[in-house]
This record gives sequence, structure tokens and C-alpha cells, in this order.
Amino acid sequence: AQTVTQSQPEMSVQEAETVTLSCTYDTSESNYYLFWYKQPPSRQMILVIRQEAYKQQNATENRFSVNFQKAAKSFSLKISDSQLGDTAMYFCAFMKPFNAGNMLTFGGGTRLMVKP
Amino acid sequence: SQTIHQWPATLVQPVGSPLSLECTVEGTSNPNLYWYRQAAGRGLQLLFYSVGIGQISSEVPQNLSASRPQDRQFILSSKKLLLSDSGFYLCAWMSKSTDTQYFGPGTRLTVL
Repeated sequence: AQTVTQSQPEMSVQEAETVTLSCTYDTSESNYYLFWYKQPPSRQMILVIRQEAYKQQNATENRFSVNFQKAAKSFSLKISDSQLGDTAMYFCAFMKPFNAGNMLTFGGGTRLMVKP
Repeated sequence: SQTIHQWPATLVQPVGSPLSLECTVEGTSNPNLYWYRQAAGRGLQLLFYSVGIGQISSEVPQNLSASRPQDRQFILSSKKLLLSDSGFYLCAWMSKSTDTQYFGPGTRLTVL
């Protein structure tokens, strides 16, 4: 079974600064997907970024980028130019494609506070 | 574009009462559908998923059940609620072509 670990329960960053959230996972699979989801105070889960394991290029979405290290099984999220609206819980998630149901395995989350 | 709806948004129910939460998806066909529960300050627990009409898989044995009467409708039910059923319930859909799950706005359930 796959496991996802987020070792930072809470983090804070000053507005306009850059912050990196850590995520490690354990799997014996070679083909899989990794995701970062954001959960603001409204509690709706919002997809931030998606990475396919067979792609060496790190995914980027505007101010959000990842550092995907497949050999190290590490998938960190970098938020540049942090904004107050980035304050949220962030969850890292793993998916093995083509399995029954394409289920996500989530990490425990990191609470990010952006300070003015 | 695709949208996902959940209702009600908030629900307060007494112990022992029945439950029905509804999730519908628009703008897609034959999606995978999922029910998750999230306790306060915790991660997500997958409860049920469905890969097609009438096909339900349960991940956690409990007093909840799920049904998928139509392609884009997913219902979470209980005959008798327990205090431990309180939490935030999220529905999600996944396009089989993208392998990415998208979540609804959620339902906050409080059992008293």
C-alpha cells in the first residue's frame, strides 16, 4: 500500500515571500500521479497542481511549482510571491492509475498561514 | 465546463435519525464518483467510490451506505446516525481520461 507523509503540520510565511511545503511518499509503482490540493477556510478542496511520474519536467501553475524527485520519492510544493489568499491547509496526494477506482491516498496536511 | 454540486451545505441531525446527502455532476458523462469524510483538523477518509451506475465499492465498514441511481448522481445515506458520523463530507468526481479528482463544496454534518 502507498503512504504519503507531510512532515510539517504548520508553516507560516510573510506576504510576498516564498515558501516550500514538503511531501514524501512510499510506493513500489513506477507509473503514478501526484497532486497538491488546497483547502481554504471554506473547506472546499481545490486542485493546485498535478504531476505525472513519467514526466521529468516539474509541473508549474502560475505561482505554484513542484520539485519532483522520483528517486527520492519527494514531491514538494513551492509557492512564490505568497498572498493572503494562500492561507489554507495543503494536502499532498498519490494516485496509482488504472487501479480499481483510481483512489487517492492523502497525506495528513500542512496548515499554511500567510502573514501580512 | 464541469461543475459538481452538493446539498445540503449544512445539516444538524439528532442521533438515530436518517441521513441523505446528494451529489450531482454536470458537464461530463460516466465519471468516477467518490464520497470522503473529514473530521475537524484531520485528513480525508475515503468512504465509497463508484465507477458506474449501480456500482458501489465501500472502503470503510460503517452504518453508512451509498447509491448511484443515475450516471451523474451519487447519494450517501444512513438509516440511523451516530455521534461519530459528524464531520465534513466531500463528494468528488473524476474524468477517466484525466485521472484527476475534483471536489464539491462539501456538507457539514453535526449529529447531536
